Amino acid sequence: EPEVTQTPSHQVTQMGQEVILRCVPISNHLYFYWYRQILGQKVEFLVSFYNNEISEKSEIFDDQFSVERPDGSNFTLKIRSTKLEDSAMYFCASRLAGNSYNEQFFGPGTRLTVL
Amino acid sequence: GQQVMQIPQYQHVQEGEDFTTYCNSSTTLSNIQWYKQRPGGHPVFLIQLVKSGEVKKQKRLTFQFGEAKKNSSLHITATQTTDVGTYFCAGTNSGAGSYQLTFGKGTKLSVIP
Repeated sequence: EPEVTQTPSHQVTQMGQEVILRCVPISNHLYFYWYRQILGQKVEFLVSFYNNEISEKSEIFDDQFSVERPDGSNFTLKIRSTKLEDSAMYFCASRLAGNSYNEQFFGPGTRLTVL
Repeated sequence: GQQVMQIPQYQHVQEGEDFTTYCNSSTTLSNIQWYKQRPGGHPVFLIQLVKSGEVKKQKRLTFQFGEAKKNSSLHITATQTTDVGTYFCAGTNSGAGSYQLTFGKGTKLSVIP
C-alpha cells in the first residue's frame, strides 16, 4: 500500500540554524500539507501546497518557513532560523486532488528538537 | 478562525466498557474526519462523515455527524486494549480552498485490562 515517507525521523539542531525536513508524498496525490504537533498537544495546520504553489497557510507559517517541491517526488519544509518553540513533531500529509471528500494520508513525522 | 473543540481530554476505562468522545465546531463543516494516533505514532485516518445526520459504523466504532454539521461523536463499544491511543476529530469547511484540517485537541483513551 502506498504511503507518505519522511526523513529524517529525528533532527536535532541548534537555535538559529536552518533545517530542511523532507517528505515524499504518495505519487498520484496532488495536494500536500505540513502540520506540526507540539508534544502532548493537538495537530496544527501549517501550510498546503497545490500546483507548485502555496494555497493556504496558517499564522504559524511566518517568514521563517518555506516549502518547496524541488522535483517530481520530494516536498520540503525549510525553517530558516530555528527557535526553541519550533521543537515539535512535523507531519507531512498528501491527498488525492479534487473536492474535500478525500482523506489525508500522514507520514510518520520528523521530530525536531531545537537546543 | 475555525475552532474545533473536543471532550473529554482524557478517558480511562476498564476493558469491556464503552467510550465516547465528542467534537464541536464553531462553524459549519463540509465534512469531518476522525483519526487515531497511537503513542509515538502519526495520525491514521479512520473515517470521514459528509452528510448531515450521517451515522457510520466500523465494527465496534460508531461515528455520528450532527444535523447542523457542527458536531460529531465517536463511540467505541466494549473497548479492548488495542483501542488505546488518542482520537482526533478534524474538520474541513468549504471556505478553506485546500481543505486543510482543523484538528480538535484529541481524547486520549487508556484501557485498563
